Amino acid sequence: DSGVTQTPKHLITATGQRVTLRCSPRSGDLSVYWYQQSLDQGLQFLIQYYNGEERAKGNILERFSAQQFPDLHSELNLSSLELGDSALYFCASSPRVGGTDTQYFGPGTRLTVL
Amino acid sequence: GQNIDQPTEMTATEGAIVQINCTYQTSGFNGLFWYQQHAGEAPTFLSYNVLDGLEEKGRFSSFLSRSKGYSYLLLKELQMKDSASYLCAVSLTDSWGKLQFGAGTQVVVTP
Repeated sequence: DSGVTQTPKHLITATGQRVTLRCSPRSGDLSVYWYQQSLDQGLQFLIQYYNGEERAKGNILERFSAQQFPDLHSELNLSSLELGDSALYFCASSPRVGGTDTQYFGPGTRLTVL
Repeated sequence: GQNIDQPTEMTATEGAIVQINCTYQTSGFNGLFWYQQHAGEAPTFLSYNVLDGLEEKGRFSSFLSRSKGYSYLLLKELQMKDSASYLCAVSLTDSWGKLQFGAGTQVVVTP
């Protein structure tokens, strides 16, 4: 158990819908990262927040957005869902910001878009 | 983006040793991480190399050569539970900590 929690574990929804994925980082960690893992793409970085501020953006679609709240939990919002958005979404956290920190991953949310 | 290459799959026998290679082409390299991931589960941290050389952690060791853009993960005394995907990930100096992952190497341990 990494100490990072994610809810829900599974989500099944229809095309065109909007969902929110939630992540609570490890106690004391200020950075939160979101990754998407699909069968054909591997693990892809989406976005990073540090202490409430966006720090880095990766291959995140405009239909996706995220935020980090004052209590440091983070939410990833996915809208106008398409079949291709079906994937595992992982959240990771680390104490600070910077490449020397180990990232610890949550159990993930499996999103299925029908 | 960065090129990170690792073999797709490797098979080895229980009790044996397997070496998973990872090559990368990047500038502004900060360090290299190895993660283990069982199917449908979260990646779990195995090792981190920032300087050249070998880091040993029990049955797992990781090596880095910055000048060659090369790393390997060595798994010794293989156990059935080591059957998993092993992900090589590069951290860049200008990336605020985001990781660029390779596609992963599926290790299959046979009895």
